[in-house]
Amino acid sequence: NAGVTQTPKFRILKIGQSMTLQCTQDMNHNYMYWYRQDPGMGLKLIYYSVGAGITDKGEVPNGYNVSRSTTEDFPLRLELAAPSQTSVYFCASIRLAGGPTNTGELFFGEGSRLTVL
Amino acid sequence: QKEVEQNSGPLSVPEGAIASLNCTYSDRVSQSFFWYRQYSGKSPELIMSIYSNGDKEDGRFTAQLNKASQYVSLLIRDSQPSDSATYLCAVNNRGSTLGRLYFGRGTQLTVWP
Repeated sequence: NAGVTQTPKFRILKIGQSMTLQCTQDMNHNYMYWYRQDPGMGLKLIYYSVGAGITDKGEVPNGYNVSRSTTEDFPLRLELAAPSQTSVYFCASIRLAGGPTNTGELFFGEGSRLTVL
Repeated sequence: QKEVEQNSGPLSVPEGAIASLNCTYSDRVSQSFFWYRQYSGKSPELIMSIYSNGDKEDGRFTAQLNKASQYVSLLIRDSQPSDSATYLCAVNNRGSTLGRLYFGRGTQLTVWP
């Protein structure tokens, strides 16, 4: 049981290049998320998915795309990379807790550190 | 604009002391509150969640919530050097999708021996 796995862990891109950050989870979680964290800042939600075939925008979706063809995988695509996309990207999935306060606990991957030069 | 503000750090306390971390939020419909710990270069990990006004204790950690004042805090008793990390406050709003959280910038805590 590996949890949430992200690849690559580090990547340097040139301005205008494209790439895909991979995320997979083996916990059979329906809900998955992509957050980004800039230095000294909190995390901001880029996109999320509540199940295969269903995705929606978060706070900062511009410049990104996602797809969710399976429960396990939730890749994040960067088109035309810009320096503003230099950040650490975290994929997360949620375990639904029981009871009336079913807000769940986010499980984060180890992160992907992206630099755009 | 939903905002989550945390007291500016860094915070430095001696081993064995109580560390107090504070967080305020702007959206009155916020209903779920979380404290995450993040070691340098690592991913966040959940240490406390609280949903109702009052205190919630878990070992050395106590979360306190006051919805009227839009304030949530985390107390760490008997602080240990291993508690040295950045602590992130996060909120989820009523009606928002599960896991759709708004994070503060974090407070860096250093516990010195």
